[in-house]
Amino acid sequence: DTGVSQDPRHKITKRGQNVTFRCDPISEHNRLYWYRQTLGQGPEFLTYFQNEAQLEKSRLLSDRFSAERPKGSFSTLEIQRTEQGDSAMYLCASSFTGGRTYNEQFFGPGTRLTVL
Amino acid sequence: GQNIDQPTEMTATEGAIVQINCTYQTSGFNGLFWYQQHAGEAPTFLSYNVLDGLEEKGRFSSFLSRSKGYSYLLLKELQMKDSASYLCAVRPGNTDKLIFGTGTRLQVFP
Repeated sequence: DTGVSQDPRHKITKRGQNVTFRCDPISEHNRLYWYRQTLGQGPEFLTYFQNEAQLEKSRLLSDRFSAERPKGSFSTLEIQRTEQGDSAMYLCASSFTGGRTYNEQFFGPGTRLTVL
Repeated sequence: GQNIDQPTEMTATEGAIVQINCTYQTSGFNGLFWYQQHAGEAPTFLSYNVLDGLEEKGRFSSFLSRSKGYSYLLLKELQMKDSASYLCAVRPGNTDKLIFGTGTRLQVFP
């Protein structure tokens, strides 16, 4: 399977703990995006990268959230001191800007986070 | 501010045609996307519009009017497998992020 992969698929943690998620984009995709989705809502933008550079970060993202893409391939999203309000599906997507003009984003299966 | 509106739920009958509307107000515009999302799964790309008019792709078509801030997704010859959420998303100007609506949950009945 050459699609976007995310690990883990599910994570249950206690409030106050730190969690880290990984995303592996489609090979050769230079852009990588993180979104968060809660039940009954559409995905909400968090941040995106072009290669290893973080180009934009949502103002809604608190300082507890950090994302990296150190070698321009996989990315990690870390949440420190988790809160119950962080419970959501965390979606990763990737795209290739050198292809079709509309630069569609391909989504991974997501990591479902539950904070107890 | 950024605002995208679409109906929360719709129902339709197998074999019928359904139109899902989306209105948007964003700071700049650089394309509108429709995604399909089955329960518990990732969104999958359906269509893209950046110029006014209709884009047809098999049973699915999408329309855009930039002056009205309006789009619709038209699904023909509905099948049971079309039961899913349909997400309208806009790419504002000068950014590659997508702003999504809340999604329209479509239920297709036999």
